[in-house]
Amino acid sequence: AQSVTQPDIHITVSEGASLELRCNYSYGATPYLFWYVQSPGQGLQLLLKYFSGDTLVQGIKGFEAEFKRSQSSFNLRKPSVHWSDAAEYFCAVGQINAGNMLTFGGGTRLMVKP
Amino acid sequence: DGGITQSPKYLFRKEGQNVTLSCEQNLNHDAMYWYRQDPGQGLRLIYYSQIVNDFQKGDIAEGYSVSREKKESFPLTVTSAQKNPTAFYLCASSTRVRGELFFGEGSRLTVL
Repeated sequence: AQSVTQPDIHITVSEGASLELRCNYSYGATPYLFWYVQSPGQGLQLLLKYFSGDTLVQGIKGFEAEFKRSQSSFNLRKPSVHWSDAAEYFCAVGQINAGNMLTFGGGTRLMVKP
Repeated sequence: DGGITQSPKYLFRKEGQNVTLSCEQNLNHDAMYWYRQDPGQGLRLIYYSQIVNDFQKGDIAEGYSVSREKKESFPLTVTSAQKNPTAFYLCASSTRVRGELFFGEGSRLTVL
């Protein structure tokens, strides 16, 4: 069975600092991978996705993620964090032939210090 | 604008009552999903449907029921058999090919 681990439950960074959120997955086949962001009491918004090809993926709001097959990781990065980035971030993994069933990680809550 | 509409946004229920959460999409997506979100546990799949008049159980289907009579609609009923129904419920949809899920704004159910 596929699984996703986000090791950091909470992360606090200063505004303007760089950010890296970790995501590790366990999956037998070639996965496709997503990062979503959720503001309190809201739905999830897609930041970026990886299906195939270039392992460095660019997303919205200045985020990027890198797929590393050898490490089973898909870490999310941003060079300079803004206060508006404070939210909860979810990594998800799925299989195209399995009807788009996504498995989500437990989430990482990001706090931004002024 | 195309999107997914969930209602109500907040719902209170007494123990022993069934409640139905609405999910409507106008994205012309074939597949629809219901997820449950609890603090620190991410999202867990309750039910999904890839086509009208067909649906499948997810990881935590016990105490829930769904129907898919129209492509646009995928209501979720939380029955009295669900032992711990207080949670945030998210509906999503996707095409059957691309894999990206589009989410509604969620419904928060509280059992009194």
